[in-house]
Amino acid sequence: SQQGEEDPQALSIQEGENATMNCSYKTSINNLQWYRQNSGRGLVHLILIRSNEREKHSGRLRVTLDTSKKSSSLLITASRAADTASYFCAPVSTDSWGKLQFGAGTQVVVTP
Amino acid sequence: EAQVTQNPRYLITVTGKKLTVTCSQNMNHEYMSWYRQDPGLGLRQIYYSMNVEVTDKGDVPEGYKVSRKEKRNFPLILESPSPNQTSLYFCASSPRTVNEQFFGPGTRLTVL
Repeated sequence: SQQGEEDPQALSIQEGENATMNCSYKTSINNLQWYRQNSGRGLVHLILIRSNEREKHSGRLRVTLDTSKKSSSLLITASRAADTASYFCAPVSTDSWGKLQFGAGTQVVVTP
Repeated sequence: EAQVTQNPRYLITVTGKKLTVTCSQNMNHEYMSWYRQDPGLGLRQIYYSMNVEVTDKGDVPEGYKVSRKEKRNFPLILESPSPNQTSLYFCASSPRTVNEQFFGPGTRLTVL
């Protein structure tokens, strides 16, 4: 089975600063996805990085993937108060395409 | 508007009283899934469905049933709810060939 574990559990920064969170997983993956959740709401897909990719950008988001270390990182640059949310990674393997196992998430608070 | 809808959004019930939480998507997605979210545990997958009439267990299927008679609907059934099923439930869907999942708004269930 596959499970993402996010680190740190919580992160508090000021507007304009960068926020970095990490995800570690256990076995080989096809891709790894990052999601955001605003308090109590449904998750929103942010970015997907495939196993043959090392880095991907989307707006102020930068995701890296190191399959040799079984880890990924999500960087949010120039953070805004609206980035306050919980962030989850979900590693997906080809063998268990239907099973997504999320970790407990990183709770990010951005203060104005 | 492309979306995943869940009903009801909030439900308080008593132990043993059968209930159904409905999930519907209008994006013609083949894949649908149910998750529960509990503090400190992240999202855990209950059941998923790769297509009509095809369902599989996730990590925490005990006490739940699902059915997939139509492509757009994937109801979650609790035959005899217990207090440990008090949780926030999310339905999600995805195109078969793309892993990005679209989440519903959530159903907050309390079992007394």
